[in-house]
Amino acid sequence: QSALTQPASVSGSPGQSITISCTGTSSDVGAYNYVSWYQQSPGKAPKMMIYDVSNRPSGVSDRFSGSKSGHTASLTISGLQAEDEADYYCSSYRTSSTYVFGTGTKVTVL
Amino acid sequence: QVQLVQSGAEVKKPGASVKVFCQASGDTFTSYFIHWVRQAPGQGLEWMGLINPFDSSTSYAQKLRGRVTLTRDTSTSTVCMDLSTLTSEDTAVYYCAREAKNPNGGHSKCFDYWGQGTLVTVSS
Repeated sequence: QSALTQPASVSGSPGQSITISCTGTSSDVGAYNYVSWYQQSPGKAPKMMIYDVSNRPSGVSDRFSGSKSGHTASLTISGLQAEDEADYYCSSYRTSSTYVFGTGTKVTVL
Repeated sequence: QVQLVQSGAEVKKPGASVKVFCQASGDTFTSYFIHWVRQAPGQGLEWMGLINPFDSSTSYAQKLRGRVTLTRDTSTSTVCMDLSTLTSEDTAVYYCAREAKNPNGGHSKCFDYWGQGTLVTVSS
């Protein structure tokens, strides 16, 4: 059972917008609106940024937004800031009460 | 406030087993699924399994089925992750994470609180 596919790295200048893709299958991303996104800084536990494809938890900046089309979900960071530099992972519910994470994307602020 | 506090680092020899504990506080223990996620050095997150503390029902990643066991102790609000027949490929930071609830009270299939992580090193 493979991980969801994400680009290894994405970069942008301060103030720009970037988008991270997360491609799954008809058993996970394509089947359910249970995609979530996590930000992880070095040595820290992940932090939830988006849940249920496009919802933001309380306290998360509205510069973070999520969407989904078919088997691919996306996380967009608008107005990129230095503090956004981190690793980002998508996650999806998968059939048979299992879950799967993406391969992870390193975001670099130039 | 909700907290998940994990037990300390472990060093094990190949072939041995390891138990990592996750103690929850700040909310009703039996109301929230607890998941385990691991991260090998320099690698991504890997979902391992979940336990429903209400009835002890579990679900495991296919790759780990037969080697991982999740149990809970409601008297101490603690979940235990037991991983057997360790190899060097099991060297990782292991996290417990709580599955969030949606506004309707249903399980939201995302992880809103995480433990601090426990490093398990497998080495001869």
